Amino acid sequence: QVQLQESGPGLVKPSETLSLTCTVSGGSIISYYWSWIRQSPGEELEYIGNIYYSGSTDYNPSLKSRVTISVDTSKNQFSLNLSSVTAADTAVYYCARVYTYDNGGYYNNWFDPWGQGTLVTVSS
Amino acid sequence: QSVLTQPPSVSGAPGQRVTISCTGSSSNIGAGYDVHWYQQLPGTAPKLLIFGNRNRPSGVPDRFSGSKSATSASLAITGLQAEDEADYYCQSYDSSLSGSVFGGGTKLTVL
Repeated sequence: QVQLQESGPGLVKPSETLSLTCTVSGGSIISYYWSWIRQSPGEELEYIGNIYYSGSTDYNPSLKSRVTISVDTSKNQFSLNLSSVTAADTAVYYCARVYTYDNGGYYNNWFDPWGQGTLVTVSS
Repeated sequence: QSVLTQPPSVSGAPGQRVTISCTGSSSNIGAGYDVHWYQQLPGTAPKLLIFGNRNRPSGVPDRFSGSKSATSASLAITGLQAEDEADYYCQSYDSSLSGSVFGGGTKLTVL
């Protein structure tokens, strides 16, 4: 059974770069898409971006200028970098596996499983 | 303001049936993209509950069911149990935003 675990600093200073890693265990990172999703305190879920094991990426347009997602297949890990952070980036960050399929010409995807999440606070 | 609109809260007594709506638009649900549902118990990560509008992953009780029509979708929970008290989120794809979108979440209270 695939399990995901986020890791990284829980506190980041404003204007700096938030860096998180997701380690995949119980299965291979190969042949799947992987995603980062965040949830601000008391707020809704926000899609950040996806990466395929080959390295191709897709980012939320609202975050695209600040986001980089990368993958290391040798370590079964993928990572998130979010630059120039502000207090608005304070959130629980989740990594998740993505299932994608085409339904009559329409791209669809869902997220399963999810990591337990890690709280990142942006503060000086 | 979420792209997919859900009621902030619903409630029901044990054993009753409740439904949670998820309303979208012509660029997401109405365009033909499927809807997926997640359950988030307090202090935990979201868990997939329904995928592809109406399909349950292995291990999800058949008390949970999903449906989709036009620009909206619904999650129905029958035979409410105390353990169902959680936040529920719908998710789809939006062609205008070129990415996955979530509803604002609905808090289910079991009275």
